[in-house]
Amino acid sequence: AQSVTQLDSHVSVSEGTPVLLRCNYSSSYSPSLFWYVQHPNKGLQLLLKYTSAATLVKGINGFEAEFKKSETSFHLTKPSAHMSDAAEYFCVVSELYTGFQKLVFGTGTRLLVSP
Amino acid sequence: ETGVTQTPRHLVMGMTNKKSLKCEQHLGHNAMYWYKQSAKKPLELMFVYSLEERVENNSVPSRFSPECPNSSHLFLHLHTLQPEDSALYLCASSQSGEIAYNEQFFGPGTRLTVL
Repeated sequence: AQSVTQLDSHVSVSEGTPVLLRCNYSSSYSPSLFWYVQHPNKGLQLLLKYTSAATLVKGINGFEAEFKKSETSFHLTKPSAHMSDAAEYFCVVSELYTGFQKLVFGTGTRLLVSP
Repeated sequence: ETGVTQTPRHLVMGMTNKKSLKCEQHLGHNAMYWYKQSAKKPLELMFVYSLEERVENNSVPSRFSPECPNSSHLFLHLHTLQPEDSALYLCASSQSGEIAYNEQFFGPGTRLTVL
Protein backbone atom coordinates (compact mmCIF):
# COMPACT_ATOMS: atom_id res chain seq x y z
CA ALA A 1 0.00 0.00 0.00
CA GLN A 2 1.12 3.52 -0.71
CA SER A 3 1.68 6.11 2.00
CA VAL A 4 2.61 9.75 2.41
CA THR A 5 4.64 11.46 5.14
CA GLN A 6 4.54 15.20 5.60
CA LEU A 7 7.55 15.96 7.72
CA ASP A 8 6.35 19.19 9.32
CA SER A 9 2.98 19.74 10.96
CA HIS A 10 3.56 23.53 11.02
CA VAL A 11 5.79 25.83 8.98
CA SER A 12 6.14 29.54 9.77
CA VAL A 13 7.56 32.05 7.29
CA SER A 14 7.60 35.79 6.85
CA GLU A 15 5.86 37.40 3.94
CA GLY A 16 8.20 37.63 0.96
CA THR A 17 10.44 34.74 2.04
CA PRO A 18 10.61 31.30 0.39
CA VAL A 19 8.30 28.46 1.32
CA LEU A 20 9.32 24.79 1.54
CA LEU A 21 6.79 22.12 2.53
CA ARG A 22 8.24 18.62 2.63
CA CYS A 23 6.63 15.39 1.52
CA ASN A 24 7.95 11.86 1.19
CA TYR A 25 5.96 9.03 -0.33
CA SER A 26 6.08 5.29 -0.40
CA SER A 27 4.98 3.56 -3.57
CA SER A 28 5.65 0.25 -5.23
CA TYR A 29 5.31 1.70 -8.72
CA SER A 30 5.32 5.03 -10.52
CA PRO A 31 2.90 7.15 -8.51
CA SER A 32 0.57 10.00 -9.28
CA LEU A 33 1.19 12.73 -6.72
CA PHE A 34 -0.82 15.82 -5.82
CA TRP A 35 -0.64 18.83 -3.57
CA TYR A 36 -3.95 20.22 -2.32
CA VAL A 37 -4.54 23.36 -0.25
CA GLN A 38 -7.33 23.94 2.24
CA HIS A 39 -8.16 27.42 3.44
CA PRO A 40 -10.21 27.81 6.65
CA ASN A 41 -13.81 26.66 6.25
CA LYS A 42 -13.20 25.74 2.62
CA GLY A 43 -12.86 22.53 0.68
CA LEU A 44 -9.64 21.29 -0.83
CA GLN A 45 -8.25 22.89 -3.98
CA LEU A 46 -5.69 21.30 -6.28
CA LEU A 47 -2.38 23.18 -6.42
CA LEU A 48 -0.54 20.86 -8.79
CA LYS A 49 -0.10 17.24 -9.80
CA TYR A 50 2.66 14.93 -11.05
CA THR A 51 1.78 12.20 -13.52
CA SER A 52 5.16 10.88 -14.76
CA ALA A 53 5.78 13.65 -17.30
CA ALA A 54 8.13 16.51 -16.30
CA THR A 55 9.66 16.07 -12.86
CA LEU A 56 9.33 19.79 -12.08
CA VAL A 57 5.65 20.62 -11.89
CA LYS A 58 4.28 24.13 -11.85
CA GLY A 59 0.98 24.88 -10.19
CA ILE A 60 -1.29 27.74 -9.35
CA ASN A 61 -0.39 30.83 -7.31
CA GLY A 62 3.36 30.47 -8.00
CA PHE A 63 3.79 27.07 -6.33
CA GLU A 64 5.88 24.30 -7.81
CA ALA A 65 7.04 20.85 -6.78
CA GLU A 66 9.83 18.56 -7.87
CA PHE A 67 9.45 14.80 -8.11
CA LYS A 68 12.66 13.05 -7.01
CA LYS A 69 12.38 9.31 -7.41
CA SER A 70 15.75 8.58 -5.81
CA GLU A 71 14.69 10.42 -2.67
CA THR A 72 10.98 9.43 -2.88
CA SER A 73 10.17 13.08 -2.31
CA PHE A 74 7.73 15.60 -3.73
CA HIS A 75 8.45 18.83 -1.88
CA LEU A 76 6.34 21.95 -2.49
CA THR A 77 8.06 25.32 -2.90
CA LYS A 78 7.26 28.93 -3.57
CA PRO A 79 9.89 31.66 -4.00
CA SER A 80 8.02 34.36 -2.08
CA ALA A 81 5.23 33.81 0.44
CA HIS A 82 2.10 35.93 0.45
CA MET A 83 -0.26 36.43 3.36
CA SER A 84 -3.00 34.69 1.38
CA ASP A 85 -0.88 31.50 1.28
CA ALA A 86 -1.65 30.84 4.95
CA ALA A 87 -3.59 27.56 4.86
CA GLU A 88 -3.22 23.81 5.33
CA TYR A 89 -1.42 21.88 2.62
CA PHE A 90 -1.86 18.19 1.88
CA CYS A 91 0.46 15.93 -0.06
CA VAL A 92 -1.48 13.11 -1.69
CA VAL A 93 -0.55 9.91 -3.53
CA SER A 94 -3.08 8.34 -5.82
CA GLU A 95 -3.41 4.64 -6.42
CA LEU A 96 -5.83 2.30 -8.09
CA TYR A 97 -7.47 0.15 -5.43
CA THR A 98 -9.78 -2.62 -6.63
CA GLY A 99 -9.66 -0.89 -10.01
CA PHE A 100 -10.72 2.53 -8.73
CA GLN A 101 -8.84 5.65 -7.72
CA LYS A 102 -8.01 6.02 -4.05
CA LEU A 103 -6.30 9.15 -2.71
CA VAL A 104 -4.00 8.62 0.26
CA PHE A 105 -3.52 11.86 2.17
CA GLY A 106 -0.70 13.02 4.39
CA THR A 107 -1.52 14.51 7.76
CA GLY A 108 -1.13 18.05 6.44
CA THR A 109 1.20 20.99 7.02
CA ARG A 110 -0.18 24.24 8.34
CA LEU A 111 1.59 27.22 6.76
CA LEU A 112 1.66 30.38 8.85
CA VAL A 113 2.70 33.63 7.15
CA SER A 114 3.62 36.64 9.25
CA PRO A 115 3.85 40.23 8.01
CA GLU B 1 -15.95 27.65 -6.57
CA THR B 2 -15.05 24.10 -7.55
CA GLY B 3 -18.42 23.10 -9.03
CA VAL B 4 -19.21 20.82 -6.07
CA THR B 5 -21.74 22.05 -3.53
CA GLN B 6 -22.65 20.56 -0.16
CA THR B 7 -25.59 21.21 2.15
CA PRO B 8 -25.93 21.87 4.95
CA ARG B 9 -22.62 23.54 5.77
CA HIS B 10 -23.11 22.95 9.49
CA LEU B 11 -25.17 20.31 11.30
CA VAL B 12 -25.68 19.59 14.97
CA MET B 13 -27.52 16.39 15.84
CA GLY B 14 -28.25 14.18 18.78
CA MET B 15 -27.27 10.54 18.84
CA THR B 16 -30.83 9.40 18.16
CA ASN B 17 -31.49 11.71 15.23
CA LYS B 18 -31.62 10.86 11.55
CA LYS B 19 -30.23 13.38 9.11
CA SER B 20 -28.84 13.49 5.58
CA LEU B 21 -25.95 15.29 3.94
CA LYS B 22 -26.31 16.30 0.32
CA CYS B 23 -23.70 16.79 -2.38
CA GLU B 24 -24.21 18.00 -5.93
CA GLN B 25 -21.64 18.32 -8.70
CA HIS B 26 -22.11 20.50 -11.78
CA LEU B 27 -19.07 19.20 -13.67
CA GLY B 28 -20.47 16.26 -15.61
CA HIS B 29 -18.27 13.82 -13.69
CA ASN B 30 -18.90 10.09 -13.39
CA ALA B 31 -17.35 9.37 -9.99
CA MET B 32 -18.24 10.76 -6.56
CA TYR B 33 -16.66 10.27 -3.15
CA TRP B 34 -17.34 10.82 0.54
CA TYR B 35 -14.42 11.62 2.86
CA LYS B 36 -14.21 12.16 6.61
CA GLN B 37 -11.79 14.76 7.98
CA SER B 38 -11.19 14.53 11.72
CA ALA B 39 -8.84 16.67 13.76
CA LYS B 40 -5.26 15.43 13.73
CA LYS B 41 -6.01 12.55 11.35
CA PRO B 42 -5.52 12.23 7.60
CA LEU B 43 -8.55 12.44 5.37
CA GLU B 44 -10.27 9.09 5.26
CA LEU B 45 -12.06 7.78 2.19
CA MET B 46 -15.50 6.47 3.13
CA PHE B 47 -17.34 5.62 -0.09
CA VAL B 48 -16.77 5.68 -3.85
CA TYR B 49 -19.46 5.72 -6.50
CA SER B 50 -18.69 5.24 -10.17
CA LEU B 51 -21.52 5.64 -12.68
CA GLU B 52 -23.97 5.60 -9.77
CA GLU B 53 -22.78 2.24 -8.46
CA ARG B 54 -20.99 1.91 -5.16
CA VAL B 55 -17.54 0.50 -5.81
CA GLU B 56 -15.87 1.03 -2.45
CA ASN B 57 -17.03 0.90 1.13
CA ASN B 58 -13.97 1.55 3.20
CA SER B 59 -15.03 -0.39 6.33
CA VAL B 60 -17.48 2.33 7.31
CA PRO B 61 -20.00 1.57 10.09
CA SER B 62 -23.54 0.89 8.96
CA ARG B 63 -24.81 4.01 10.74
CA PHE B 64 -23.51 5.81 7.63
CA SER B 65 -25.55 4.97 4.54
CA PRO B 66 -24.71 6.49 1.15
CA GLU B 67 -27.05 6.97 -1.77
CA CYS B 68 -26.31 8.03 -5.34
CA PRO B 69 -29.58 8.49 -7.28
CA ASN B 70 -27.80 9.88 -10.36
CA SER B 71 -24.32 10.92 -11.39
CA SER B 72 -24.79 14.51 -10.16
CA HIS B 73 -26.09 13.84 -6.65
CA LEU B 74 -24.71 12.02 -3.64
CA PHE B 75 -26.25 11.69 -0.19
CA LEU B 76 -24.94 10.46 3.13
CA HIS B 77 -27.72 9.31 5.45
CA LEU B 78 -26.86 9.40 9.14
CA HIS B 79 -28.56 7.61 12.03
CA THR B 80 -27.68 6.79 15.63
CA LEU B 81 -24.31 8.47 15.35
CA GLN B 82 -21.70 8.63 18.10
CA PRO B 83 -19.86 11.73 19.37
CA GLU B 84 -16.65 10.44 17.72
CA ASP B 85 -18.40 10.82 14.36
CA SER B 86 -18.15 14.60 14.73
CA ALA B 87 -15.97 15.75 11.84
CA LEU B 88 -15.90 17.61 8.54
CA TYR B 89 -17.49 15.49 5.82
CA LEU B 90 -16.20 16.26 2.35
CA CYS B 91 -17.69 15.29 -0.96
CA ALA B 92 -15.60 15.09 -4.12
CA SER B 93 -16.06 14.19 -7.76
CA SER B 94 -13.81 13.23 -10.65
CA GLN B 95 -14.26 12.62 -14.35
CA SER B 96 -13.63 8.91 -14.01
CA GLY B 97 -13.03 6.77 -10.97
CA GLU B 98 -10.74 4.40 -12.89
CA ILE B 99 -7.80 6.72 -13.60
CA ALA B 100 -5.17 7.29 -10.93
CA TYR B 101 -4.02 10.70 -12.18
CA ASN B 102 -7.43 12.36 -12.35
CA GLU B 103 -7.97 15.40 -10.16
CA GLN B 104 -10.73 15.16 -7.60
CA PHE B 105 -12.79 18.31 -7.07
CA PHE B 106 -13.91 18.89 -3.49
CA GLY B 107 -16.92 20.61 -2.01
CA PRO B 108 -16.64 22.93 1.01
CA GLY B 109 -17.74 20.23 3.43
CA THR B 110 -20.38 19.78 6.12
CA ARG B 111 -19.20 20.37 9.68
CA LEU B 112 -21.04 17.74 11.74
CA THR B 113 -21.31 17.85 15.52
CA VAL B 114 -22.89 14.91 17.34
CA LEU B 115 -24.04 15.65 20.88
